[in-house]
Amino acid sequence: DVKVTQSSRYLVKRTGEKVFLECVQDMDHENMFWYRQDPGLGLRLIYFSYDVKMKEKGDIPEGYSVSREKKERFSLILESASTNQTSMYLCASSRLAGAYNEQFFGPGTRLTVL
Amino acid sequence: ELKVEQNPLFLSMQEGKNYTIYCNYSTTSDRLYWYRQDPGKSLESLFVLLSNGAVKQEGRLMASLDTKARLSTLHITAAVHDLSATYFCAVGGAGGATNKLIFGTGTLLAVQP
Repeated sequence: DVKVTQSSRYLVKRTGEKVFLECVQDMDHENMFWYRQDPGLGLRLIYFSYDVKMKEKGDIPEGYSVSREKKERFSLILESASTNQTSMYLCASSRLAGAYNEQFFGPGTRLTVL
Repeated sequence: ELKVEQNPLFLSMQEGKNYTIYCNYSTTSDRLYWYRQDPGKSLESLFVLLSNGAVKQEGRLMASLDTKARLSTLHITAAVHDLSATYFCAVGGAGGATNKLIFGTGTLLAVQP
């Protein structure tokens, strides 16, 4: 059974704190993604990675950074959390190539920044 | 720039009725996905459509793809309460191995008894 896990389901942080969101997949997927989900805006891509230590910016990278030191783990970092980063954060993974190449999603982390 | 539009954004249906959710996208793409999200849960893959004219069916849901019209539909037949969820379509960029997806804003489906 394929699995993507995220370190926390709910997180409350204060403005200015450094926040780490962790994602682990057990499917040996090359691609990993971080999205944020906000009502009425759908899912927006923050960053993605197609290999260890490789990363590319998505559509809304400002205020975020990422780290991928191991194939199975992809971390999202909020260097200095702000209230406008309150959101649901979803991690996903997929194979590098293939006919279907669908993304598999983790359960999400609901982050509140006070 | 690839844009994906879904409509309607909200759909309230009675059990037993049929309805269709539409997904339009703006540039050429070689793959389209439908996902379901239950309240408080993550996204679950429903269908992957890879070619013009592709049709996939699972239970009361049927998805189709018209790449010439840049349109995919998700048809619901004889809706039941268990189908209440938010449905997203997502479009992959033409070619490319990284499989970046652009998501629609989602359609919140509420099936009333």
